[in-house]
Amino acid sequence: AQKITQTQPGMFVQEKEAVTLDCTYDTSDPSYGLFWYKQPSSGEMIFLIYQGSYDQQNATEGRYSLNFQKARKSANLVISASQLGDSAMYFCAMREGGAGGFKTIFGAGTRLFVKA
Amino acid sequence: SQTIHQWPATLVQPVGSPLSLECTVEGTSNPNLYWYRQAAGRGLQLLFYSVGIGQISSEVPQNLSASRPQDRQFILSSKKLLLSDSGFYLCAWEKTGNTDTQYFGPGTRLTVL
Repeated sequence: AQKITQTQPGMFVQEKEAVTLDCTYDTSDPSYGLFWYKQPSSGEMIFLIYQGSYDQQNATEGRYSLNFQKARKSANLVISASQLGDSAMYFCAMREGGAGGFKTIFGAGTRLFVKA
Repeated sequence: SQTIHQWPATLVQPVGSPLSLECTVEGTSNPNLYWYRQAAGRGLQLLFYSVGIGQISSEVPQNLSASRPQDRQFILSSKKLLLSDSGFYLCAWEKTGNTDTQYFGPGTRLTVL
């Protein structure tokens, strides 16, 4: 079964507008971490934001925020004021804190296109 | 600050040839190290991870192997490449005991012909 699901293969957003990239996850481990990475065409994976399962507040990093809804098991990435340089693949990932603590599981990714 | 290097950046190899990809980390000690493969247009697949020198855990049985001869060096190898080994190989590190964030190297794009 898929542990990380990103249902949007591709998305378009107008420059300067906000965009939400969806991510749902599945785990029975009470301790886990959720991540978002950006992968531009150069291929490097760039860490954007992290949310721990016990964190009370949604994580924010500059223009990035993570809309964490624990009961719904969703961890959507919100990018505010989109820029042309935001065009890239975005991956949601989860790290379980139990026996599989060394494994980070990645979703299939969402390709974001920012239009001028 | 910590940096992670991978080489080569690109590689084209014939089927049946050997492979050696290298990853080194600077600015930290005793990191956990990871090898991932990404097929074209797909997500990341964990291949190997290491929590210390000589300690390798394999996630996917295949014709690849990994070694960690030094604390901050992680090597991915194969004795005979297959066409299906083509892909983008990424090395990542994280602080020992910190299950928060992995940081990735620039990657190696491997094409097996």
